Amino acid sequence: DQQVKQNSPSLSVQEGRISILNCDYTNSMFDYFLWYKKYPAEGPTFLISISSIKDKNEDGRFTVFLNKSAKHLSLHIVPSQPGDSAVYFCAASGNFGNEKLTFGTGTRLTIIP
Amino acid sequence: ETGVTQSPTHLIKTRGQQVTLRCSSQSGHNTVSWYQQALGQGPQFIFQYYREEENGRGNFPPRFSGLQFPNYSSELNVNALELDDSALYLCASSLADSAPLHFGNGTRLTVT
Repeated sequence: DQQVKQNSPSLSVQEGRISILNCDYTNSMFDYFLWYKKYPAEGPTFLISISSIKDKNEDGRFTVFLNKSAKHLSLHIVPSQPGDSAVYFCAASGNFGNEKLTFGTGTRLTIIP
Repeated sequence: ETGVTQSPTHLIKTRGQQVTLRCSSQSGHNTVSWYQQALGQGPQFIFQYYREEENGRGNFPPRFSGLQFPNYSSELNVNALELDDSALYLCASSLADSAPLHFGNGTRLTVT
């Protein structure tokens, strides 16, 4: 039972354009959502998070949007840069995000120079 | 500030053997979690330790066990290794009640 789903295994975006990564969840008890970025041979690195009481959180080039009614969140990266090429994981938690995290299967983002 | 460090980076074991993986938490963090990432999958929660006590466990059998030491370092032990245990094992640390988790680079375990 995949409670967090990332339906796009891969995404290619031109440098300078917007990258949009999507994530859906099924468990309505989730109330904290995070995005992690992973380079090969490294562990996941925290990128940005959002609490269920918000619908948007912004940090520089990264914005996360949450639509609770649709159980959907998205990560927007603007403008996309070559260093953004990585695997992006969506994760969900029932608390602050430092308890059990349920991860999606990841989306491999490739930025084309 | 030192990050989360894991050892060894790679390990090859034979089915039926036992393995111990080690983790040093980020300085100041008192909670450690272990995750298993199989090829092509996202990380899956194994368990979490807080103040040397198990504080939550995922859907993993009892042959997966752990320890957290007073200096907040941690071990993951897996007994009776199976081929499906081949995966990247990730350790993550955090301050209790404070996001987010900080991950190490993982230990790649191959079971033959």
